Amino acid sequence: EVQLVESGGGLVQPGGSLRLSCSASGFTFSSYAMHWVRQAPGKRLEYVSAITSNGGSTYYADSVKGRFTISRDNSKNTLYLQMSSLRVEDTAVYYCATSSGWYARWGQGTLVTVSS
Amino acid sequence: EIVLTQSPGTLSLSPGERATLSCRASQSVSSSYLAWYHQKPGQAPRLLIYGASSRATGIPDRFSGSGSGTDFTLTISRLEPEDFAVYYCQQYGSSPYTFGQGTTLEIK
Repeated sequence: EVQLVESGGGLVQPGGSLRLSCSASGFTFSSYAMHWVRQAPGKRLEYVSAITSNGGSTYYADSVKGRFTISRDNSKNTLYLQMSSLRVEDTAVYYCATSSGWYARWGQGTLVTVSS
Repeated sequence: EIVLTQSPGTLSLSPGERATLSCRASQSVSSSYLAWYHQKPGQAPRLLIYGASSRATGIPDRFSGSGSGTDFTLTISRLEPEDFAVYYCQQYGSSPYTFGQGTTLEIK
């Protein structure tokens, strides 16, 4: 069974840091580009960051550039998102997803709340 | 960045009826790189359509997508109870990938 399981979310103060993980199973993780997509409460889905299948290239939305870092470990079938200098507006459910342009597989999401 | 605008915001229909959802782009979506998803409360989105008209694996044929350029449509031929959800379109022809604001399909 194909599974993506996110973890690492929680409550953090503005300016703080958090590291999200996404553990993959049931498919060849190393063959897929991976993305992080977030959804703030009551808002539309928003692309956050992307990484190529071998990790050689990374991309970021302007809203997180310079603050977030995406990485992956294909030997552990795991995707990461290191988030720093967090802002209240980063509060959202964060999803990892496989990308072929479209998002065929999604995790269940992990909630990040940035609040004092 | 390409802005996607979905209409209507809310669609109230009964099971068995036909649903037509619209997604309009602020500029042309190259190669019809447009996808549709639905999302139920507390769940992740689920891919329905990619490439504007190709059904994803396991999606029933009552779901169909059409359109090109700036205007795209998702049609559900006969609504089943499990189809009532929020629907999003997404373009992946231009960076950054963007989503529409969603159409809520509710039971009348």
